[in-house]
Amino acid sequence: GAGVSQSPRYKVAKRGQDVALRCDPISGHVSLFWYQQALGQGPEFLTYFQNEAQLDKSGLPSDRFFAERPEGSVSTLKIQRTQQEDSAVYLCASSADVTRIYGYTFGSGTRLTVV
Amino acid sequence: DAKTTQPTSMDCAEGRAANLPCNHSTISGNEYVYWYRQIHSQGPQYIIHGLKNNETNEMASLIITEDRKSSTLILPHATLRDTAVYYCIVSSSGGGADGLTFGKGTHLIIQP
Repeated sequence: GAGVSQSPRYKVAKRGQDVALRCDPISGHVSLFWYQQALGQGPEFLTYFQNEAQLDKSGLPSDRFFAERPEGSVSTLKIQRTQQEDSAVYLCASSADVTRIYGYTFGSGTRLTVV
Repeated sequence: DAKTTQPTSMDCAEGRAANLPCNHSTISGNEYVYWYRQIHSQGPQYIIHGLKNNETNEMASLIITEDRKSSTLILPHATLRDTAVYYCIVSSSGGGADGLTFGKGTHLIIQP
């Protein structure tokens, strides 16, 4: 497709359940970012991939959060033992190169609700 | 990344120019000013960026003061579809692993 695709669009999880969120970046895009957006707040950086290499995971809030991009294209953000504070919109963004000179393209996000 | 200050919200009449201010007094020489917007239930959308010169594209114009401590995003003829949260971000051009730092932005409401 022409844009960044994220699935599922909405996810309701029971507390303690594991979830996996998928991001399909624009084909050929080198850089891929995950962001977390709480209600009423701006997006906050979670992690960054350059191709298949995870170069920065400093924004991941706990060791329950894990991200991968094994073939340098599709990425999965996994959250283990979900907690209520994990409820947020999870956004994926990609960029054609390693700079941000031309901006990032964001997906529409996955809204995760933990009950 | 340098910190930015934006008004929490602004109103603008449909068809008029919307001028969104941003203060970034601690910007350093290699940092760009980026603007993104986020329409309800969508991901952020890149609008424009600049270093020191004014910039214009099909979406907006960016005016950066000579001392680079503030800037203004101009939407020349606002429509109802321009209602969104607008984020002003100051950051280097990248090449590293750090992501953009979004603040709370300005909620722009276009009034019919």
